[in-house]
Amino acid sequence: SQQGEEDPQALSIQEGENATMNCSYKTSINNLQWYRQNSGRGLVHLILIRSNEREKHSGRLRVTLDTSKKSSSLLITASRAADTASYFCATDAIGYGNKLVFGAGTILRVKS
Amino acid sequence: NAGVTQTPKFQVLKTGQSMTLQCAQDMNHEYMSWYRQDPGMGLRLIHYSVGAGITDQGEVPNGYNVSRSTTEDFPLRLLSAAPSQTSVYFCATSTTGTISGNTIYFGEGSWLTVV
Repeated sequence: SQQGEEDPQALSIQEGENATMNCSYKTSINNLQWYRQNSGRGLVHLILIRSNEREKHSGRLRVTLDTSKKSSSLLITASRAADTASYFCATDAIGYGNKLVFGAGTILRVKS
Repeated sequence: NAGVTQTPKFQVLKTGQSMTLQCAQDMNHEYMSWYRQDPGMGLRLIHYSVGAGITDQGEVPNGYNVSRSTTEDFPLRLLSAAPSQTSVYFCATSTTGTISGNTIYFGEGSWLTVV
């Protein structure tokens, strides 16, 4: 399976702290994306990082990609209670066809 | 502009019954897909389509049929429902026929229980 794996499975932090989630994958990729899912809702795209990029920022989000280790991390700075959600990485693997494969996700809880 | 619309939101089926989950989009997106989401397993791709008249299998296609007669609609059919198909189903679309480098837009999900 091409499926990415997120780590940790669950994370609980206080408001204002930073949250870091990691994603590992198995084969070479074209791109890696991060999505967020609020309870009972569909997924929402957060950020895309291409295989030739090492770091990308969007507001309070910072994503890194290390293709040599086949891993990515998502950092949410100065977390808020509204950041409470599940976060998924998704990979677009080379040679795997026109498919986006999701990991199992990290459940983030931000306590106020 | 409604985006990606899924119906029904909730459905309970008996084993062996058939049903169709509907997905409609008004964004003129070429790529449409169906995922199922099960606890602890993330999302798994069932079927996808890169344009009207073209469909292909994803990771877990068994037990499901799809068709794409129009750009707007991509129904998912369960011909003989099984308890293992109890899941949350998401329709997702993307602008062009290739997923590479493109954002996916998700519907709000359809909760299906097979008893």
